[in-house]
Amino acid sequence: GQQLNQSPQSMFIQEGEDVSMNCTSSSIFNTWLWYKQDPGEGPVLLIALYKAGELTSNGRLTAQFGITRKDSFLNISASIPSDVGIYFCAGQPQGAGNNRKLIWGLGTSLAVNP
Amino acid sequence: ETGVTQSPTHLIKTRGQQVTLRCSSQSGHNTVSWYQQALGQGPQFIFQYYREEENGRGNFPPRFSGLQFPNYSSELNVNALELDDSALYLCASSLNIGENIQYFGAGTRLSVL
Repeated sequence: GQQLNQSPQSMFIQEGEDVSMNCTSSSIFNTWLWYKQDPGEGPVLLIALYKAGELTSNGRLTAQFGITRKDSFLNISASIPSDVGIYFCAGQPQGAGNNRKLIWGLGTSLAVNP
Repeated sequence: ETGVTQSPTHLIKTRGQQVTLRCSSQSGHNTVSWYQQALGQGPQFIFQYYREEENGRGNFPPRFSGLQFPNYSSELNVNALELDDSALYLCASSLNIGENIQYFGAGTRLSVL
């Protein structure tokens, strides 16, 4: 199935470091969402972006909707051990109509060394 | 806690069998989507239900079918199970058909032997 290009695939960092990950697509997206998934759990929504250029924060997390509408990034500042998990980008392509299916990246696995 | 509950949490079946997975959406949400997540992959859209009718389908064969009930809970049925159907099946609910934000349950882990 269709998937977004998400990078990096995995990261291993020290507690307190900042983290950056991004997603790109070959087509235009109307919405970008960032989710975090812990083992044995479903994805949990972190940030939703609706307009090109939009920059939104949620605590230590900041995400931006790229101005080309084909990319998005997520930054985590001052990482802590509970940030460990898999981060997914997801988006709704332009022209999807009322079909609100989300296209997903493959995820970025984050490990934080205390 | 998203308010979306799925059952069972784990299931083991053999090839050729049929399975039914269940989902209760968050209170007030009338739209339910089902996803398949293979190990190490992102979720893949199976289909979406809005007010008891299918509203869009991903690239899955007809042996994947679903239902939505008047209380907006939903079922995913898979017939003639294959080994590749082993995955985490996620249900997500949205407030309305026009809402992009989806809230996920913890999933059902299906193993096909």
